[in-house]
Amino acid sequence: QKEVEQNSGPLSVPEGAIASLNCTYSDRGSQSFFWYRQYSGKSPELIMFIYSNGDKEDGRFTAQLNKASQYVSLLIRDSQPSDSATYLCAVNDYGQNFVFGPGTRLSVLP
Amino acid sequence: DGGITQSPKYLFRKEGQNVTLSCEQNLNHDAMYWYRQDPGQGLRLIYYSQIVNDFQKGDIAEGYSVSREKKESFPLTVTSAQKNPTAFYLCASTGQEPGPQHFGDGTRLSIL
Repeated sequence: QKEVEQNSGPLSVPEGAIASLNCTYSDRGSQSFFWYRQYSGKSPELIMFIYSNGDKEDGRFTAQLNKASQYVSLLIRDSQPSDSATYLCAVNDYGQNFVFGPGTRLSVLP
Repeated sequence: DGGITQSPKYLFRKEGQNVTLSCEQNLNHDAMYWYRQDPGQGLRLIYYSQIVNDFQKGDIAEGYSVSREKKESFPLTVTSAQKNPTAFYLCASTGQEPGPQHFGDGTRLSIL
């Protein structure tokens, strides 16, 4: 059974701080990795995706992938109250099969 | 604009009744998915389809059925055999590998 694990939180950070969200996965064959943001009562929206080891930056967001250690993380710089949401990590093995983690609730305090 | 349309937004089911949730996409994506999300939980895969007229069971297919007669459409039927159907249902699609999934706005199903 392929598994994706995340700390359920809530993770609380003050406004302007860096929020660090982590995700580990069990399948070494995983090839692509995605971070989604989900506001309460809404559907997930794609934040970032990463396929290669290392860092990928997009605005205030940085995704980090370490395939050897089987973890992927999301850093949110200059966190804003509007970033308060649940962040879902998803992993894909090129077989069109996606496995989602349970999500981490982030709370950014004004 | 291209996207995924789910309808209705809210749905109520009476005991013993089958209900069908609609999912339509105009993204020309081959693969489509149905997920169930319970409060405070992650997404669990119900069914997926990678091509017209073919679909596969996910982790929690019991009590659900699907069809894929057209590339654009992937309706989900929640049958009376699903004893605990109250949840948020999400439809998603994926284009060429290894792209991300795109989600519709979801349908919230409740029991009357």
